[in-house]
Amino acid sequence: KAGVTQTPRYLIKTRGQQVTLSCSPISGHRSVSWYQQTPGQGLQFLFEYFSETQRNKGNFPGRFSGRQFSNSRSEMNVSTLELGDSALYLCASSERLAGATRTGELFFGEGSRLTVL
Amino acid sequence: AQKVTQAQTEISVVEKEDVTLDCVYETRDTTYYLFWYKQPPSGELVFLIRRNSFDEQNEISGRYSWNFQKSTSSFNFTITASQVVDSAVYFCALSEQWGSQGNLIFGKGTKLSVKP
Repeated sequence: KAGVTQTPRYLIKTRGQQVTLSCSPISGHRSVSWYQQTPGQGLQFLFEYFSETQRNKGNFPGRFSGRQFSNSRSEMNVSTLELGDSALYLCASSERLAGATRTGELFFGEGSRLTVL
Repeated sequence: AQKVTQAQTEISVVEKEDVTLDCVYETRDTTYYLFWYKQPPSGELVFLIRRNSFDEQNEISGRYSWNFQKSTSSFNFTITASQVVDSAVYFCALSEQWGSQGNLIFGKGTKLSVKP
């Protein structure tokens, strides 16, 4: 089974530009979450999507947005980039079970490392 | 508010030493889940273990063991006879029952260096 695939792996942008990152979850996984990892703030939750709907959102400005497609692939977009947006952006997928049962296990990709100059 | 604290920022040991990584959590929920993840230099987070708040039984998996103590809100991770391949950043994380499944609250991580 292929793992979570994130593209691109590395990218460099300048302030004010926008960026789109892509995530392909493990086959059969319908939930996709995004995290931002920086040396200062650590791992912070951005948002989670399930069945093309945003289910939860972290404490990030509106410049950070995302979406999920019918095949469960997800993209996140950051507009008007700032220097502080330089980070490793990690995508994770999980199975989502009905009712109260949860696997609780997230499978992470290798991330997209964004550098803003 | 939920919080995970990993007080040890960096630990350095020599191969074959035992090492314990500490994790202390805060939550008001009675039902919650605790996790450990490993992040090698490649960047992806690798799932190691999940524990729910009702299961305080310690677990051992090969050289890895976990000690969950609700009384002290701790979920410590021990590597026995460490190896160079264990060098990585280890994260402890918390998920609450009624929170989003994809929303884990991570500690700041402990960087473990195992020297030959």
